[in-house]
Amino acid sequence: ETGVTQSPTHLIKTRGQQVTLRCSSQSGHNTVSWYQQALGQGPQFIFQYYREEENGRGNFPPRFSGLQFPNYSSELNVNALELDDSALYLCASSLREPAKNIQYFGAGTRLSVL
Amino acid sequence: SQQGEEDPQALSIQEGENATMNCSYKTSINNLQWYRQNSGRGLVHLILIRSNEREKHSGRLRVTLDTSKKSSSLLITASRAADTASYFCATDPFYNAGNMLTFGGGTRLMVKP
Repeated sequence: ETGVTQSPTHLIKTRGQQVTLRCSSQSGHNTVSWYQQALGQGPQFIFQYYREEENGRGNFPPRFSGLQFPNYSSELNVNALELDDSALYLCASSLREPAKNIQYFGAGTRLSVL
Repeated sequence: SQQGEEDPQALSIQEGENATMNCSYKTSINNLQWYRQNSGRGLVHLILIRSNEREKHSGRLRVTLDTSKKSSSLLITASRAADTASYFCATDPFYNAGNMLTFGGGTRLMVKP
């Protein structure tokens, strides 16, 4: 158990809809990262939030957006869903430490876009 | 695109045997980490090796790092059925301003009882 919780665990949406995924970080962690994992592949970095500001972004379009709240919980929002957005979305929290960067993952939200 | 490539993509062994997985990456790194994932669940951190280290041990795990070849290997000794999972290497790039990790495609390990 990492102490990182994600909700919901599963979600089914149709193309064009919008979705919000939620993450509660491990106590004491000030950084949260979001990853997309397609079936059979490794996680791909979407973006990271540190002290409520975006602090790095992967190769994802602007319809992927996020928020981090003062209690360090976080949201991932995806607008105008596409079929290729179907994936496992993973949230990971960490404590910003130079040259260490160990991340603690939640169990993920499995999103299916029909 | 992903930073690393893992080899093999899938590995099937008998309980008690050793399992070796390899990872190659492309850019300079601060450290390299290995994570484990059980069947579509979250990833669990196993071990971290810094760029100035060549070998590290943790229980039945042994990790090596060769920065000149930009490669790493993970050895699991005396494997157990419970080791069945996907294993991913993740690099913390040297230029990293955002604390992101870049993952490889993973090795799917099956340990048969």
